[in-house]
Amino acid sequence: DAKTTQPNSMESNEEEPVHLPCNHSTISGTDYIHWYRQLPSQGPEYVIHGLTSNVNNRMASLAIAEDRKSSTLILHRATLRDAAVYYCILRDVRDTGGFKTIFGAGTRLFVKA
Amino acid sequence: SAVISQKPSRDICQRGTSLTIQCQVDSQVTMMFWYRQQPGQSLTLIATANQGSEATYESGFVIDKFPISRPNLTFSTLTVSNMSPEDSSIYLCSVEERDIGQETQYFGPGTRLLVL
Repeated sequence: DAKTTQPNSMESNEEEPVHLPCNHSTISGTDYIHWYRQLPSQGPEYVIHGLTSNVNNRMASLAIAEDRKSSTLILHRATLRDAAVYYCILRDVRDTGGFKTIFGAGTRLFVKA
Repeated sequence: SAVISQKPSRDICQRGTSLTIQCQVDSQVTMMFWYRQQPGQSLTLIATANQGSEATYESGFVIDKFPISRPNLTFSTLTVSNMSPEDSSIYLCSVEERDIGQETQYFGPGTRLLVL
């Protein structure tokens, strides 16, 4: 699986938008971009995923660059509950074997009240 | 989405002993996974547990150390054998569901293990 690069940490103010970047310059045409987050003392939870077009759901938006070599997870209004480690993961559409060894370090998001 | 529970939620064990962690899912799933998360680190896949066959282990993990059972489509166990302090980690169970044309993984709350 292709590798992703994320900043180690980011800080945001409560109720402000947060843009979490992810670089994946070696992404292949069959890789989906997934975002998961891990709240303190919990297992990771799914946030959003996309292939080429921007995606929106109740949790966040995913903006994918035209060349697909980078993407940005957007939290429209950060809350204290959004403080977590955010993982950007590439998953080949043909792979059904689970997310293998591609949970990188992620970005730790700090939200200030 | 699948709801996953794990037992125990945490434990403190003596070196040389073994601990079996249980994972229960509220629906039938084909693939179940076990991950380890060492203190301050990200997740690493230990093995994939399929019902009716032996588990498939990732590089660096062996069946003698981490035996896995998968007796049915809603349950699995992971045993951490002959424990040492280096085994102190969070162990997470995960399942896959296909949704919106792509697999999504759901994770249990984890089992926090401290080995003294």
